[in-house]
Amino acid sequence: GQQVMQIPQYQHVQEGEDFTTYCNSSTTLSNIQWYKQRPGGHPVFLIQLVKSGEVKKQKRLTFQFGEAKKNSSLHITATQTTDVGTYFCAGWGYRGSTLGRLYFGRGTQLTVWP
Amino acid sequence: DTAVSQTPKYLVTQMGNDKSIKCEQNLGHDTMYWYKQDSKKFLKIMFSYNNKELIINETVPNRFSPKSPDKAHLNLHINSLELGDSAVYFCASSPHSYEQYFGPGTRLTVT
Repeated sequence: GQQVMQIPQYQHVQEGEDFTTYCNSSTTLSNIQWYKQRPGGHPVFLIQLVKSGEVKKQKRLTFQFGEAKKNSSLHITATQTTDVGTYFCAGWGYRGSTLGRLYFGRGTQLTVWP
Repeated sequence: DTAVSQTPKYLVTQMGNDKSIKCEQNLGHDTMYWYKQDSKKFLKIMFSYNNKELIINETVPNRFSPKSPDKAHLNLHINSLELGDSAVYFCASSPHSYEQYFGPGTRLTVT
């Protein structure tokens, strides 16, 4: 069945280092979303990418959607301790010719050492 | 006002008991969801309702029964609780195919 794979599962970085998490889908996605979950909190929507090859930026965060709409990445430049949390990608997949459901990756848990 | 609310926030109970978790959203969204998050942070979709109609029912034991009395509410009833049911349960709502708004979660501990 359709699934979204996300790597790495864990990432530990020194404050100021960059961080990247990657998502891959077995099938073409309609769109991909990214969420952040702080420790003890709930997932919070960050951004949605819809177009093939789309790149969006939010301050130090850069989101990319692959040309084939099967992969995506989130890159954080110069991490800060406030970036700590679990980052999830989630892709809307098709069921036949119609939109099916949202498939979440397993998440990447980011730890930032001061 | 809280967009998606869940009660209770914490639930500690013994094996074999029956419990319910309630969820309400005031965003006017048509679609609501229940997710289970295990200790490794994996978010697993359990159910989805669109305008009170069940549209997603993943491989979940039939001890779990969702109920949507109206499109602003989605409750989850769990019968005969087991140790493996211990997790954080999140309710979420969304306009179809757009971003999901999650509730604060209910941490269920079965002893």
